[in-house]
Amino acid sequence: SQTIHQWPATLVQPVGSPLSLECTVEGTSNPNLYWYRQAAGRGLQLLFYSVGIGQISSEVPQNLSASRPQDRQFILSSKKLLLSDSGFYLCAWSPLGGSYNEQFFGPGTRLTVL
Amino acid sequence: DAKTTQPTSMDCAEGRAANLPCNHSTISGNEYVYWYRQIHSQGPQYIIHGLKNNETNEMASLIITEDRKSSTLILPHATLRDTAVYYCIVKQETSGSRLTFGEGTQLTVNP
Repeated sequence: SQTIHQWPATLVQPVGSPLSLECTVEGTSNPNLYWYRQAAGRGLQLLFYSVGIGQISSEVPQNLSASRPQDRQFILSSKKLLLSDSGFYLCAWSPLGGSYNEQFFGPGTRLTVL
Repeated sequence: DAKTTQPTSMDCAEGRAANLPCNHSTISGNEYVYWYRQIHSQGPQYIIHGLKNNETNEMASLIITEDRKSSTLILPHATLRDTAVYYCIVKQETSGSRLTFGEGTQLTVNP
């Protein structure tokens, strides 16, 4: 069966520090991968999605970047964190092709920027 | 993807059916209706989806109106663990597409 991992689970970082959040998927090949952010009391906002290694689409302009160095690895990064980057970050995957798309989410990383 | 409208919050008594409405009046013919829920501090969980026929699985039932402009998610016997934010999403079934989450409905199941 497929599983999706995210780490760390929680993170407290000072303003201006770098960020690296990692997401890996097991049990599937060539998944579509997604990064979402959820600010406190808000809905989910899609940040990036990827349909293959090295292929990244950005949904909103921001202080963050994403990379996909391997088929089942998706990394969210920032060179200098802002206070507004605080939130709950979720990685998700969906099977490539198929008759429908269901996205399966990881446990999330709660980031607090102070 | 079509826009959806959901009530901000709803309450339901434990053991009773929870009926969560969603309006999607601009839905196009090739767009599906998906429902997800997010329990506090957890990732979203897929519940059910459908195109035009009513659907049922072990978690819920999905009723889509004949004109497909609205739908209702039904939790037949709500439990306290069903307290969550429920998202109704309309999207095409194309590879590489992504979900656009709105604000959802906060369902609170009361004892």
